[in-house]
Amino acid sequence: GDSVTQMEGPVTLSEEAFLTINCTYTATGYPSLFWYVQYPGEGLQLLLKATKADDKGSNKGFEATYRKETTSFHLEKGSVQVSDSAVYFCALSKGDYKLSFGAGTTVTVRA
Amino acid sequence: ETGVTQTPRHLVMGMTNKKSLKCEQHLGHNAMYWYKQSAKKPLELMFVYNFKEQTENNSVPSRFSPECPNSSHLFLHLHTLQPEDSALYLCASRAKVGAGGQETQYFGPGTRLLVL
Repeated sequence: GDSVTQMEGPVTLSEEAFLTINCTYTATGYPSLFWYVQYPGEGLQLLLKATKADDKGSNKGFEATYRKETTSFHLEKGSVQVSDSAVYFCALSKGDYKLSFGAGTTVTVRA
Repeated sequence: ETGVTQTPRHLVMGMTNKKSLKCEQHLGHNAMYWYKQSAKKPLELMFVYNFKEQTENNSVPSRFSPECPNSSHLFLHLHTLQPEDSALYLCASRAKVGAGGQETQYFGPGTRLLVL
């Protein structure tokens, strides 16, 4: 079945460091790919998405490129801030009603 | 900015209590979801409603009973819960399910439930 694997955390960084969270997927066909973020005490928020190969999603300084050849959708940010501390979830959709989520990666940014 | 609200935000209940969680979406969507988020576990899909019809029950115990009176409201009725049911319960909505439907789900802030 369809699945998403993302790097295990927790990840701890200093402010202004470069962040990468790896995400790979297993799916037939052409899924859409998402990154969601969950700040402490809140629900999930859509961070960015890409619907076809080579698409790049971007938002709030975060970027991820849909790589079909490596079945990956890695999340990157060039300079993180304390406010980026959150749990990040990679997810995929095959066009039906379900989202398949990764386990989540906890990121802590220290001042 | 989320157009999905959930009440209450926090709930403590005993194992013999009956309570209900409420979700309301202000986005004009037609599909609504309940998820359970437990510590150190992946997000678990519980129920899906599309145009008020239940399309998914992911082997959820009968002590959880969903209700969807219209496309804007979703309830989760709780009775005789167990301590292991303590978790964050998240509601989500999306525009519609089916051909041409946008796949993005929009989440509410969740209800933090503690069962004593």
